[in-house]
Amino acid sequence: DTEVTQTPKHLVMGMTNKKSLKCEQHMGHRAMYWYKQKAKKPPELMFVYSYEKLSINESVPSRFSPECPNSSLLNLHLHALQPEDSALYLCASRITGGRGPDGYTFGSGTRLTVV
Amino acid sequence: QKEVEQNSGPLSVPEGAIASLNCTYSDRGSQSFFWYRQYSGKSPELIMSIYSNGDKEDGRFTAQLNKASQYVSLLIRDSQPSDSATYLCAVRDNNAGNMLTFGGGTRLMVKP
Repeated sequence: DTEVTQTPKHLVMGMTNKKSLKCEQHMGHRAMYWYKQKAKKPPELMFVYSYEKLSINESVPSRFSPECPNSSLLNLHLHALQPEDSALYLCASRITGGRGPDGYTFGSGTRLTVV
Repeated sequence: QKEVEQNSGPLSVPEGAIASLNCTYSDRGSQSFFWYRQYSGKSPELIMSIYSNGDKEDGRFTAQLNKASQYVSLLIRDSQPSDSATYLCAVRDNNAGNMLTFGGGTRLMVKP
């Protein structure tokens, strides 16, 4: 299995809703990432998990809450979002240690629309 | 602030030509460099990684790295319309969670 699976693929939520994005990989990667990508912009890092521990939070508002229940699963809990939070949310994973096989493996993303 | 710069394009080349995509980075200590291809509405797909000065070839793709000039490029030979996409240059910070910093991307259009 060489994939990162993200669900759902599309999500429309109201500003008062609570929802969660899910990311799963079974490649044994111990580093997992959440990126946010707005239209015609590059991905921007939100969170980094290394060995199931949060190692980097890029000053993300608290309405985004990450969780890593185990080495294969990464969640992003959403609450009280704003319309400007509408974006493509990308999960990625990477094997840790050494240089390769290297590069991140990205999931197909969740297209989030906040109304 | 680490920066990765790319010309946003669009870069338009005829089918069969060589497309040349360029990227510069600000952190002289960067060690790992990647090129991702992203089709509209899709997630980035890794196409090349390079760590040492010089050229690295994989099929129709050649990545070139010059650390002294802080410059990395991607050549696509025999460009096909299916190569039309946005190409993202990314640099990895080995000291900060191995996070990737992306350039703004170059949009490539290959015309039949």
